[in-house]
Amino acid sequence: NAGVTQTPKFQVLKTGQSMTLQCAQDMNHEYMSWYRQDPGMGLRLIHYSVGAGITDQGEVPNGYNVSRSTTEDFPLRLLSAAPSQTSVYFCASRANRDSSLAEAFFGQGTRLTVV
Amino acid sequence: SQELEQSPQSLIVQEGKNLTINCTSSKTLYGLYWYKQKYGEGLIFLMMLQKGGEEKSHEKITAKLDEKKQQSSLHITASQPSHAGIYLCGAREGGGGSQGNLIFGKGTKLSVKP
Repeated sequence: NAGVTQTPKFQVLKTGQSMTLQCAQDMNHEYMSWYRQDPGMGLRLIHYSVGAGITDQGEVPNGYNVSRSTTEDFPLRLLSAAPSQTSVYFCASRANRDSSLAEAFFGQGTRLTVV
Repeated sequence: SQELEQSPQSLIVQEGKNLTINCTSSKTLYGLYWYKQKYGEGLIFLMMLQKGGEEKSHEKITAKLDEKKQQSSLHITASQPSHAGIYLCGAREGGGGSQGNLIFGKGTKLSVKP
């Protein structure tokens, strides 16, 4: 049971480049989400999905796109990277959004630097 | 929107000492989670509290939930270097379209001196 798998672990991009951060879970969870973690800011929600085909914006969605074509995968796309997107990105999944009993499982994180 | 405030922001303790980290919510809590993070790694789930007055323990870490104060505390007894890391509290956001999303405090950085 791998849990939540994120790739890559590290990435350096030039301003204006695009890339996709991958996230996959093998727990058949309905709910998946992306956070970014910045010093002094804690974890902030970027986008989330409550099931295949359904996505919505979180607290800081600008500059990011997501899609959820399968239950397992929830990629995060940066269309035109900016230095302000330098951060550590975490993908998380839960059985469902509304259950107060549902633990959130996190990936190992992707450390992204935009130069 | 709901916010979680953690205190202190950072903490340095001598090995063997006890310590407490607090997490206070600006709104009603619907489940409170504690996670630990080591540098360069993901978040490790410690425990979850649901009801007011609930208390849970895992090894030397105890967490309590005070529903009336909208607050949770994490207490570590006889700290060890292995306890060092960043402790994050998280809660399900209540009300409106964002209900059910997890929000997090900014974290408490714990260092334990041998």
